[in-house]
Amino acid sequence: DGGITQSPKYLFRKEGQNVTLSCEQNLNHDAMYWYRQDPGQGLRLIYYSQIVNDFQKGDIAEGYSVSREKKESFPLTVTSAQKNPTAFYLCASNFGSSGNTIYFGEGSWLTVV
Amino acid sequence: AQKVTQAQTEISVVEKEDVTLDCVYETRDTTYYLFWYKQPPSGELVFLIRRNSFDEQNEISGRYSWNFQKSTSSFNFTITASQVVDSAVYFCALNSGGSNYKLTFGKGTLLTVNP
Repeated sequence: DGGITQSPKYLFRKEGQNVTLSCEQNLNHDAMYWYRQDPGQGLRLIYYSQIVNDFQKGDIAEGYSVSREKKESFPLTVTSAQKNPTAFYLCASNFGSSGNTIYFGEGSWLTVV
Repeated sequence: AQKVTQAQTEISVVEKEDVTLDCVYETRDTTYYLFWYKQPPSGELVFLIRRNSFDEQNEISGRYSWNFQKSTSSFNFTITASQVVDSAVYFCALNSGGSNYKLTFGKGTLLTVNP
């Protein structure tokens, strides 16, 4: 089936550790995105990538890093520098042209313990 | 600057009632796109509709309908004869300025449909 796959669904991290969230899509989309969602809040853009080997910071990039080595994959690393990482993370993708619908994965819950 | 306001934080209705979710947006661009997404308890955002700024025609899809009014900068969503399965958080979002990446979300409305 075509879609966007995120893993793991649930992840626990100790303070001071880096953790990487996986995102894979088989929709042949050019652009990929990472959003963060906090309780009672809308989604905020962390990073996005419009083509392979290129990515840009979104509104809340501090404490996060990404890579885009393959068109299908856009992993997000939550570093120890992220002061409040506990949140729901959503990966998304689209064909990248203006106004094109963005489709989302099922999300990953990250909890810092 | 872009902004989306969903003034209703939570709505609770009884099954079969009609319910309207409000969305008001702000943008200085003449070309923009509006979206509605549904987020059920599982967490995934499900795309419902996309509208561009040049098409004010209202749309109906089964029990769902959308009312786009540029004069009031609103893009409201109505569910007719609500069902328990409609219970979810609904987000309105805006994309404008030719920035394909910039999708600005409202804070969402939690809809609870009681049997």
